[in-house]
Amino acid sequence: GQNIDQPTEMTATEGAIVQINCTYQTSGFNGLFWYQQHAGEAPTFLSYNVLDGLEEKGRFSSFLSRSKGYSYLLLKELQMKDSASYLCAVDPGAGSYQLTFGKGTKLSVIP
Amino acid sequence: DTEVTQTPKHLVMGMTNKKSLKCEQHMGHRAMYWYKQKAKKPPELMFVYSYEKLSINESVPSRFSPECPNSSLLNLHLHALQPEDSALYLCASSQDEAGVPEGNEQFFGPGTRLTVL
Repeated sequence: GQNIDQPTEMTATEGAIVQINCTYQTSGFNGLFWYQQHAGEAPTFLSYNVLDGLEEKGRFSSFLSRSKGYSYLLLKELQMKDSASYLCAVDPGAGSYQLTFGKGTKLSVIP
Repeated sequence: DTEVTQTPKHLVMGMTNKKSLKCEQHMGHRAMYWYKQKAKKPPELMFVYSYEKLSINESVPSRFSPECPNSSLLNLHLHALQPEDSALYLCASSQDEAGVPEGNEQFFGPGTRLTVL
């Protein structure tokens, strides 16, 4: 089966750091995506982790531990525009097209 | 060109209407997808085309009919929809290249906001 868990909602202050966790139990695993989705808009790609460790891209970093079935997205120097839903999605690989999405974490950034 | 385009952006239709959603990409991607997304839910996969052939049909009702005229275009034909079909319909594409780590990265279009009256 496929099971991906993320917190439903989080609130953080402008300028702060927030970590959004994602745990997964899936029948196949090639890598893990993080997408950002503003209300009423399409998801946009943030990161893709295949290997264990931390990958940094500007204010956003993503971490993966394959052995623990765990990933997190770290957002630094939060800005109001970072208020959005953050979706983690497992890429099962092995020729499968079907990403399995978590339910998303709605992040609210407050002044 | 690194984007996926979708038309129309908004669509309101009655239950007896026939309409079509269109999606286009010029990134040379060989896999294209239709997703349905309800408010506060993640995208749900409907159909996948790979190399212009229907690869996955996730038990979608026949009132939704996909079509892939060529490798750059993907349509979703709608007929006799129900009010519960109102949602954001997202198109996405990916390279579909085995052995490439990012081969499955899906690029999403802006979506069509569909309202069925």
